[in-house]
Amino acid sequence: EIVLTQSPDTLSLSPGETATLFCRASQSVNSNYLAWYQQKPGQAPRLLIYHSSTRATGIPDNFSGSGSGTDFTLTISRLQPEDFAVYFCQQYDRPPQTFGQGTRVEAK
Amino acid sequence: QVQLVQSGAEVKKPGSSLKISCKASGVSFNSYAINWVRQAPGQGLEWMGGIIPIFGTIKYSEKLHGRVTFTADGSSSTAHMELTSLRSEDTAVYYCAGLGLYETTGFDYFQHWGLGTHVTVSS
Repeated sequence: EIVLTQSPDTLSLSPGETATLFCRASQSVNSNYLAWYQQKPGQAPRLLIYHSSTRATGIPDNFSGSGSGTDFTLTISRLQPEDFAVYFCQQYDRPPQTFGQGTRVEAK
Repeated sequence: QVQLVQSGAEVKKPGSSLKISCKASGVSFNSYAINWVRQAPGQGLEWMGGIIPIFGTIKYSEKLHGRVTFTADGSSSTAHMELTSLRSEDTAVYYCAGLGLYETTGFDYFQHWGLGTHVTVSS
């Protein structure tokens, strides 16, 4: 199965700053079949990005995704207080669909 | 809007079975897939598999194959997940997660999520 490794584990930032989160795959993820989710404590994950760079419905444009092959990035610009959460990447190129271990974005 | 409403929390004994329901509204069940994802306490997310009710297509993760069964009832727009031979390692929050079939396989990413069902397996 494709193993996804996210970095860093934790990112400490202030509101207004830019968060850059990385997701590296153990094998190439074809067709950029990679998604990003946000999860807040006690809540279900929320889809942010699919196909590596397509924002899901209702996701603000300060969230952007990029990358291809084995290296993908989620960028959150102009961090808002509600953006502090855990973020997961997920590949759906090859079953089983797998998730990264998550990156926590916390307020400094 | 799309809502996935899951059944309530469960406490189970090791070796017993579990069945969770997920009722969809705001979406045509005929053009929708339901996947199941679980999250152990303090851990990441694990895809368990999914079902496309209109086609009867079912995929199971190899890890759980043989212990898990997915079913769906189109008349009530409800999907069910049954997990047998429960172990302490099955303690987790179980989510149903849906995806429309337009330009997807149904098992790709997860567009809509239920609130989760907390399951505790303990003697």
